[in-house]
Amino acid sequence: EADIYQTPRYLVIGTGKKITLECSQTMGHDKMYWYQQDPGMELHLIHYSYGVNSTEKGDLSSESTVSRIRTEHFPLTLESARPSHTSQYLCASARTYEQYFGPGTRLTVT
Amino acid sequence: EDQVTQSPEALRLQEGESSSLNCSYTVSGLRGLFWYRQDPGKGPEFLFTLYSAGEEKEKERLKATLTKKESFLHITAPKPEDSATYLCAVRGPDTGNQFYFGTGTSLTVIP
Repeated sequence: EADIYQTPRYLVIGTGKKITLECSQTMGHDKMYWYQQDPGMELHLIHYSYGVNSTEKGDLSSESTVSRIRTEHFPLTLESARPSHTSQYLCASARTYEQYFGPGTRLTVT
Repeated sequence: EDQVTQSPEALRLQEGESSSLNCSYTVSGLRGLFWYRQDPGKGPEFLFTLYSAGEEKEKERLKATLTKKESFLHITAPKPEDSATYLCAVRGPDTGNQFYFGTGTSLTVIP
């Protein structure tokens, strides 16, 4: 069974705050991903990583940053939260191309 | 241009009533088509990977098939616990480690 964790599960925060969404996996996967998912919409890639010290931007990366200092950890940071950031954020990892997803973080920016 | 289109958007079935979900794609040089199941409030769960036309994969009541333009997820004699949103995603030669996801089919199986 996949072991990938996201914290917090739910977050309500005010506009302008800096936030970090945490993602950890215990499977030793090199590839990790961050997606944004709105109801009824497709998953949009925010950032991905091939391994330690390797990160790439996806389609929605302009307002966030990531780091990959350890294989198991891939945090996502929003420097200044806006109401348009209200969404579900999903983290995933993969050994090859089959992705294992965490439970998600539901973010609400007021 | 949409890379992945799933249909129908929603499907209601009686328990035991078999049906199929469709995923059509426009990416050329497919390097993998992936099916996931997503329950409300949870992350997607990996089901199948298909790589070449004619390939089939099965798991319990689910069977995934692939042609050059589309994939089908066949559900045989569904049960209420099969109710979920089913997502497909594709990877092409120009997408590297990126994937294009469809918007999913929301399946409801009525007892």
